[in-house]
Amino acid sequence: NAGVTQTPKFQVLKTGQSMTLQCAQDMNHEYMSWYRQDPGMGLRLIHYSVGAGITDQGEVPNGYNVSRSTTEDFPLRLLSAAPSQTSVYFCASKSAGTGFSEYGYTFGSGTRLTVV
Amino acid sequence: AQKVTQAQTEISVVEKEDVTLDCVYETRDTTYYLFWYKQPPSGELVFLIRRNSFDEQNEISGRYSWNFQKSTSSFNFTITASQVVDSAVYFCALSEARTGNQFYFGTGTSLTVIP
Repeated sequence: NAGVTQTPKFQVLKTGQSMTLQCAQDMNHEYMSWYRQDPGMGLRLIHYSVGAGITDQGEVPNGYNVSRSTTEDFPLRLLSAAPSQTSVYFCASKSAGTGFSEYGYTFGSGTRLTVV
Repeated sequence: AQKVTQAQTEISVVEKEDVTLDCVYETRDTTYYLFWYKQPPSGELVFLIRRNSFDEQNEISGRYSWNFQKSTSSFNFTITASQVVDSAVYFCALSEARTGNQFYFGTGTSLTVIP
C-alpha cells in the first residue's frame, strides 16, 4: 500500500544508547520531515528535507541527525539518547506541488520511544 | 509567538450534540493554507481538510463542516450530531507560501464524545 512506513513502532532505549528510526515513502514525494509529539505541545518539527541530498533543521533539532540519500528514505538518528527524547515520533511526506505549502502531509503511523 | 492557537485543550460532549473546535492563526502571508488533522486513540494522523487563503467558502462533508473567516483569522471545525467515533485529538495547522517548508501545528484539542 502506498504511504509512509515507519519502523519500529515501539522502542525502549537506555540513556546514552544510539538508534535510527526508519522512514520510507513510496509516493515519490519530494518533501519529508520528522516531528515529535509531546503532551500539550502538539507536533514540533525536528528536521526536514526538500529533496535527496538536502536537509535542514526544524524547531527542535538538538540530539538528532538526518540524511536523505534517496527520495524514498529519511532516517532519523538519535546520537546519544536522553530521557527528554521520550516521545512519539512521526515521519511525514508531501508533494512539492506548485510550492511546498500547498499540500498536506501524509503521516507515518508513529514510533513510540521511551528512554530510561 | 504561536502561529496557530487552539485554545480548547479538552472538550467533552454527549453523543448527538454539536461541537465546534476553534482554530485561530497568525500570518503576514497573503497566500497560505490551513489544515485539520484527526488523531484517533490508535495514534495515526489523518488528514481531514485543506483550505487556501483565497477561498473563504465554508465546506461541509457529511457531519463535518469548516468555517473559514479571514477577518478574524479563524478556521473553526464543527461536528454535527457527534458520535463516539469522533473522539480524538484534532490538530489545526498552517502552511505559508513564503516559508512553505514548515507546517505550524496547534497544540490540539482533545474531544471526548460520551455515549
